[in-house]
Amino acid sequence: SYVLTQPLSVSVAPGKTATITCGGNNIGSESVHWHQQRPGQAPILVISYDTDRPSGIPERFSGSNSGNTATLTISRVEAGDEADYYCQVWDSSSDHPVFGGGTKLTVL
Amino acid sequence: QVHLVQSGAEVKKPGASVNVSCKASGYTFTDYYIHWVRQAPGQGLEWMGIINPTGGGTDYLQKLQDRVTLTMDTSASAVYMEVRRLRSEDTAIYYCARGPTISTFDNWGQGTLVTVSS
Repeated sequence: SYVLTQPLSVSVAPGKTATITCGGNNIGSESVHWHQQRPGQAPILVISYDTDRPSGIPERFSGSNSGNTATLTISRVEAGDEADYYCQVWDSSSDHPVFGGGTKLTVL
Repeated sequence: QVHLVQSGAEVKKPGASVNVSCKASGYTFTDYYIHWVRQAPGQGLEWMGIINPTGGGTDYLQKLQDRVTLTMDTSASAVYMEVRRLRSEDTAIYYCARGPTISTFDNWGQGTLVTVSS
């Protein structure tokens, strides 16, 4: 099955930029979706199809995808951005969605 | 506004079955798939299965397909997940999520905690 690799944790000071990566074999040829899960809450979709922001998601959230790495970038980080972030793609070898292990974003 | 409202927490003994419901509102029920995803305590997200509300077709994670069944009631805009022969490892929060396609989720339910303990 398709493996997605994320760093366990990322720390950033308020107002700075956070970068969360998602590694996978030729992931640039896949559509990557990002889900945010705040503590004790259900996930919400923050980026779909590599770069699209759903309605209601701040412009501070952006995504990119090329080669073997997809990236979620959060600009001007706020305390409320502290959460776990999961990348997700379609695994064509098993015909089902798969998630990365998740990255805990800590706002210092 | 899209809402997926799930049934309440459950405590079950090993070997028992559990049913979790997911009631959709705010959109045309038959226009979107419903996925189920679970999250064990302190762990990540695991996709479990999908149901197509148009026709009721289903697909499951291979390791769960003999213990999980998804059904639906179109008149109630609801999807139901049954997990049989529960084990302690099935202790998790179970989420339903709306899928515009088979590969994506755009809205999530609030989650249902299922605890399996003797």
